[in-house]
Amino acid sequence: AQSVTQLGSHVSVSEGALVLLRCNYSSSVPPYLFWYVQYPNQGLQLLLKYTTGATLVKGINGFEAEFKKSETSFHLTKPSAHMSDAAEYFCAVFTNTGNQFYFGTGTSLTVIP
Amino acid sequence: NAGVTQTPKFQVLKTGQSMTLQCAQDMNHEYMSWYRQDPGMGLRLIHYSVGAGITDQGEVPNGYNVSRSTTEDFPLRLLSAAPSQTSVYFCASTSSGRGTDTQYFGPGTRLTVL
Repeated sequence: AQSVTQLGSHVSVSEGALVLLRCNYSSSVPPYLFWYVQYPNQGLQLLLKYTTGATLVKGINGFEAEFKKSETSFHLTKPSAHMSDAAEYFCAVFTNTGNQFYFGTGTSLTVIP
Repeated sequence: NAGVTQTPKFQVLKTGQSMTLQCAQDMNHEYMSWYRQDPGMGLRLIHYSVGAGITDQGEVPNGYNVSRSTTEDFPLRLLSAAPSQTSVYFCASTSSGRGTDTQYFGPGTRLTVL
């Protein structure tokens, strides 16, 4: 079975500071990995995804994530936080054997002016 | 394209009532799914469908029924609502259900069961 763990349900950063949101997964087969963002009272929007190939993945709004198989991690980073980045972020995993998406419990990002 | 649409946006039910949450997509996607979102628990899969006439259970299927008679529509039925089903419900679709596809989400239905 697959599972996703997001360390830190709440993260606060100052505007302009590095954003680091942590995601670890458990999967017995090669996973597909995703980060989604959810703004208040909205649905989820895809930030980026890892399928195959290059392990450093760039997404929208300046976010990127690196797939590290040895660490079973897929942490999300952004060099400089903007106020508009304040939202909830979800990591998710999908495998073709499971045929389902599994989501982490989410990390709420607050950006302090 | 309207993408993934959900109706209603808000609903209040009494315990024991039944209702159907509607979900439709106009992208000709084969794979559709229903999630519920609860504080501190992220999104949990209720049911999913890999094509018309084919449905399967997710992580939390109890108390919910689905059917998929057309590619476009994937309604979620609550047969006898319980307070534990108070949640925000999201419908989502992907073109084929492979992990390489992007999953598109609807705006959600906020359900309260009294």
